[in-house]
This record gives sequence, C-alpha cells and structure tokens, in this order.
Amino acid sequence: ETGVTQSPTHLIKTRGQQVTLRCSSQSGHNTVSWYQQALGQGPQFIFQYYREEENGRGNFPPRFSGLQFPNYSSELNVNALELDDSALYLCASRHHGSDYGYTFGSGTRLTVV
Amino acid sequence: KQEVTQIPAALSVPEGENLVLNCSFTDSAIYNLQWFRQDPGKGLTSLLLIQSSQREQTSGRLNASLDKSSGRSTLYIAASQPGDSATYLCAVLPEWGTASKLTFGTGTRLQVTL
Repeated sequence: ETGVTQSPTHLIKTRGQQVTLRCSSQSGHNTVSWYQQALGQGPQFIFQYYREEENGRGNFPPRFSGLQFPNYSSELNVNALELDDSALYLCASRHHGSDYGYTFGSGTRLTVV
Repeated sequence: KQEVTQIPAALSVPEGENLVLNCSFTDSAIYNLQWFRQDPGKGLTSLLLIQSSQREQTSGRLNASLDKSSGRSTLYIAASQPGDSATYLCAVLPEWGTASKLTFGTGTRLQVTL
C-alpha cells in the first residue's frame, strides 16, 4: 500500500530556529499521526489529527504543533528547536474505522546543530 | 500505560535459517497489532496486521501470530535471505474509545549473512 509522501527528506536547522515538515496522506485517510524516532529507538507518538482537529497528543511540549488540511495533507511545526529534536520524523495515516493499519511515509531526517 | 518489548534486540543468522522474533505487550486491550520493517534511515513498511480477534496472519515467507490474553506476538521468517536484513518493529493499537496511537517496541535488528 503506497500513498504517504513526506517532504523534505533531510533538513539541517540551527538551534532556536523553527521548522515545518509536510506530509501528503493517501486519499480517504482522515486520520494522520506524527511520530518522532530517535536513533536506535522505536517511534514515539507526537500527536494525531482526525478531520482537521487534534484528538490525541503524546508527551511532547507545546512547541510541537500541527495542522491537517481537507486535501489529506498535514504539517508538523516545531518552534525553538533544540539539539534533542534531531530525529527521524514519521507521518502515518489511516481511514478511521477501517480494519487496515497505518501507512507510513519515508520520513524526514531533521538535524539540529 | 502500554509498554511493548521486543526480544532479542539484535540477531544474526546465516542465510536459509528459519527465525522467530518476539514481541510482548503489557495491556491486552488492543484493537490490532502491526509488524513493520525498517531499513536504515528509512520509513516503516507494514508487513502484517493482526486484528485482536485473529490468531495469525501470513504473507509469503512471513507468519505472525497473536496471543492477546498472554500479551505476546511472534513473527516467523522462513528461509531467511540477506535481503531480509533490517530492523523489525511491532506496534499495538489500543481498542476503540481511547487515543488511537500506536505504541512501538524498540525493534529487533536482523542481519542475515551469506
């Protein structure tokens, strides 16, 4: 199953800057989640959007925010970047109520220097 | 709080060997369990999805089982090949009515040698 596209693939930012990561979900997928994966760890849930509203959030500070748009695209915004924000950011989508699992994008590798 | 553990953390086997990867979870109130493959620096590729009412799923050389009551799942890979080398992650989705976030294990890093 294909259809989740993330951009950019790689990004280098300076501490204190702001970044926006983008995700284009598969058509019909009304639920999108974002995950952060540090090196050697499993992905950690950041937040989830359903029909353009946030309906779940993990243990991440408010400087991590997001948006979901009617065209099945979404954004992850991170303000005041810290060195520990360096990670692989993954977008995943599914159709709420379906028996199919999540489809993940290929991720954005963010490096904060 | 759901916790997912994967054992072993790393595994090296010769080509052709059959192998089993283990996944355990602490809260049995799950909707489904999903196995993923991740190549270095890449995203996640879904391998198998098992609904909570199912016992196993098969795809090619892969077979995943689920014992919800004991909080365990296994991924069986038959006749391993060098191309199977990757990190394998399991993730559980809670039952409806709660935040539908996936909780992941830390993965098993598999290397299949020639």
